[in-house]
Amino acid sequence: EPEVTQTPSHQVTQMGQEVILRCVPISNHLYFYWYRQILGQKVEFLVSFYNNEISEKSEIFDDQFSVERPDGSNFTLKIRSTKLEDSAMYFCASSEQGALWQPQHFGDGTRLSIL
Amino acid sequence: GQQVMQIPQYQHVQEGEDFTTYCNSSTTLSNIQWYKQRPGGHPVFLIQLVKSGEVKKQKRLTFQFGEAKKNSSLHITATQTTDVGTYFCAGSSNDYKLSFGAGTTVTVRA
Repeated sequence: EPEVTQTPSHQVTQMGQEVILRCVPISNHLYFYWYRQILGQKVEFLVSFYNNEISEKSEIFDDQFSVERPDGSNFTLKIRSTKLEDSAMYFCASSEQGALWQPQHFGDGTRLSIL
Repeated sequence: GQQVMQIPQYQHVQEGEDFTTYCNSSTTLSNIQWYKQRPGGHPVFLIQLVKSGEVKKQKRLTFQFGEAKKNSSLHITATQTTDVGTYFCAGSSNDYKLSFGAGTTVTVRA
């Protein structure tokens, strides 16, 4: 069964540094998402992406964050000037169509630790 | 903004017993989805409900969408150790954004 893959599985970064989290969505999917889950808490929506542009973003997704689809397969989340509170598990997800009708398939996540 | 609330936060169940987790939205939803996350894992899609009053079953799991499309429930009968994990409801009022509830973390006593 096709799956969403995320790299790296664990990223350790010094506070203030920039990180790029990478995702390869399922190949025939058109909608891509990033979520964040702080340890022991709920999954929080960050951003959705369709047709090479952001469809919707949450209040969490401020100027510190950006997303990009640099080629036909990768979908990246960049976090600039990382803060301690950015430490969390970041999940990428994709769906064939918008969330209204289709389930989202999640990757295994990248655990981001900010020191 | 849209908020999805879920109760209880924790559910400790004796193996073989039934339990229910409830989900409530501050706004009317277009659809609601349920996901299960095993410890250390990622959310895995279980089911989607779209119609008012809809009821769907998956083996021992029964999912219900309220008539007003503002609440949902998941009922598990004859709980097994494989049911351990956190169950999230996630609601959508438009095409692109899912709002997740806080989840119900289920532990099972053998």
